Amino acid sequence: NAGVTQTPKFRVLKTGQSMTLLCAQDMNHEYMYWYRQDPGMGLRLIHYSVGEGTTAKGEVPDGYNVSRLKKQNFLLGLESAAPSQTSVYFCASSKPSGVTKNIQYFGAGTRLSVL
Amino acid sequence: DAKTTQPPSMDCAEGRAANLPCNHSTISGNEYVYWYRQIHSQGPQYIIHGLKNNETNEMASLIITEDRKSSTLILPHATLRDTAVYYCTPGRINDYKLSFGAGTTVTVRA
Repeated sequence: NAGVTQTPKFRVLKTGQSMTLLCAQDMNHEYMYWYRQDPGMGLRLIHYSVGEGTTAKGEVPDGYNVSRLKKQNFLLGLESAAPSQTSVYFCASSKPSGVTKNIQYFGAGTRLSVL
Repeated sequence: DAKTTQPPSMDCAEGRAANLPCNHSTISGNEYVYWYRQIHSQGPQYIIHGLKNNETNEMASLIITEDRKSSTLILPHATLRDTAVYYCTPGRINDYKLSFGAGTTVTVRA
């Protein structure tokens, strides 16, 4: 059971380039999330999804777009990367029922550097 | 949403119990307390959660004060592998968004 898988694990971009981060989960979870984590800080929610075809903005959505075309996948896009988007990105998923909504399962992260 | 306060760091001797405090004085009646940890370079990992009763699982115990304004995560026999950043975060049962602050960096020393 793979859980939550993120690809790629590392990426270096030049300012202005675009890329898509892929998150895949095999636990049949309804909810999925994208976070970013900057050095010495906690996680900040970028976007989230409560089901296939739905997405919503989190705490820091500017400069990012997301799509949830399939239940198991949640894509995070950077249309024009900026150095301020250098960070570690984590994807997570959770079940929709009761207290388990907030038991989130995280991927290993994608380390992105924008030069 | 409730705000939480955790000490920035603490040390613990291997084999001893580690007691990690969290203050959540503004927590509301329908907010649970969740604990996660993040081992270096890995994604966060769920540990335990509770509402008002003490809870225990294979990883840790959670003690919540009667007034629910604070809680303590207890790692009963800390090992070197427990070295991590520990996050305390409130979460509503009808919501699915968590707030991860800076957490407590726990260093277990041999």
